[in-house]
Amino acid sequence: DSGVTQTPKHLITATGQRVTLRCSPRSGDLSVYWYQQSLDQGLQFLIQYYNGEERAKGNILERFSAQQFPDLHSELNLSSLELGDSALYFCASSPTPQHGYTFGSGTRLTVV
Amino acid sequence: GQNIDQPTEMTATEGAIVQINCTYQTSGFNGLFWYQQHAGEAPTFLSYNVLDGLEEKGRFSSFLSRSKGYSYLLLKELQMKDSASYLCAVHTNAGKSTFGDGTTLTVKP
Repeated sequence: DSGVTQTPKHLITATGQRVTLRCSPRSGDLSVYWYQQSLDQGLQFLIQYYNGEERAKGNILERFSAQQFPDLHSELNLSSLELGDSALYFCASSPTPQHGYTFGSGTRLTVV
Repeated sequence: GQNIDQPTEMTATEGAIVQINCTYQTSGFNGLFWYQQHAGEAPTFLSYNVLDGLEEKGRFSSFLSRSKGYSYLLLKELQMKDSASYLCAVHTNAGKSTFGDGTTLTVKP
């Protein structure tokens, strides 16, 4: 157990639907990062939050949004889902960059 | 933008030494990470280089040359369990890490 908790582990949904992925960071970590990993691509940075505020944004689609709550857990919302959104979605947390990121076990999203 | 290159695949023999290279072009460089990722699992942190030079951690060492935009991960005394994908990631002062596509290492007996 890395200390970063992601739920659900697996999600199967239909095109056009909306889903919410949840992440609880490791205790004491204020930063939360979301990454997408498709079969034919590496880890793609989506978005970072630090203590409730958006800090950095990557190639996140407009159909996707995220937020970090006062208790520091974060949610990634994916809407109007397309087949190409099928991927592993990882959440990571970190106290400082020097410690590296601790990744959760990921949510495997399958859009059918 | 950022550009990170690493070989797609490498094969090595159990007990041997292997070096996985990573070259990058970026602005606002803060440091370089190496992660290990087994198939279907989350990446796990191996090393973080900020200054030029070699850092050793047991069987794994990581080297950085900021002027050349170059890093390598050195794995010694290879074991079968070292078969995995190795990801190079550049961390910038924009607060995010950009990952390379990873090098899939296969260790053969």
